[in-house]
Amino acid sequence: AQSVAQPEDQVNVAEGNPLTVKCTYSVSGNPYLFWYVQYPNRGLQFLLKYITGDNLVKGSYGFEAEFNKSQTSFHLKKPSALVSDSALYFCAVKTNTNAGKSTFGDGTTLTVKP
Amino acid sequence: DTAVSQTPKYLVTQMGNDKSIKCEQNLGHDTMYWYKQDSKKFLKIMFSYNNKELIINETVPNRFSPKSPDKAHLNLHINSLELGDSAVYFCASSQSGLSTDTQYFGPGTRLTVL
Repeated sequence: AQSVAQPEDQVNVAEGNPLTVKCTYSVSGNPYLFWYVQYPNRGLQFLLKYITGDNLVKGSYGFEAEFNKSQTSFHLKKPSALVSDSALYFCAVKTNTNAGKSTFGDGTTLTVKP
Repeated sequence: DTAVSQTPKYLVTQMGNDKSIKCEQNLGHDTMYWYKQDSKKFLKIMFSYNNKELIINETVPNRFSPKSPDKAHLNLHINSLELGDSAVYFCASSQSGLSTDTQYFGPGTRLTVL
């Protein structure tokens, strides 16, 4: 069975500071990892994904994430947070088994204060 | 020219009624999904169709019946609505259903059962 853990329900940072939203996963086989963002009353939007290759993945809006196989983690980072980054962030994992089903974490609410 | 659209955006109905939610994607994707997001914002996959064929059918009450008339449309019909069905339902699509594919989400349908 595959699973994703986002250990923090809430992350608070000050504008201009770096931010990290944590994600760990558990799968059999090779993981494909995704980050999505959900703004209030909107659908999820894709930020970035790791499929293979370089462990550091760059995505939309200045976000990046680092795949760490030994720690089974895929933390989302941004060097300088903006107030407009405040949203709900979801990590998701898929594998080549399981009919391509996505398993989502429970989400982390990021609040960036001015 | 919305990529993934859903109707209606809001749906308020009485217990015991039957209702449908419609989803259309104009991305030319082969695979479509239905997700349920509960009041705690947890996201769970319900169904997935690839080229009109059901490929993922999670543990969902059989009161929920998806229908895909063509690969651009995936509708969700719910019979005998219950209070616990209140949630936001998201439709999504992906290129081919491969595990490496990004999913594109619709804006959601907020269902309230009274």
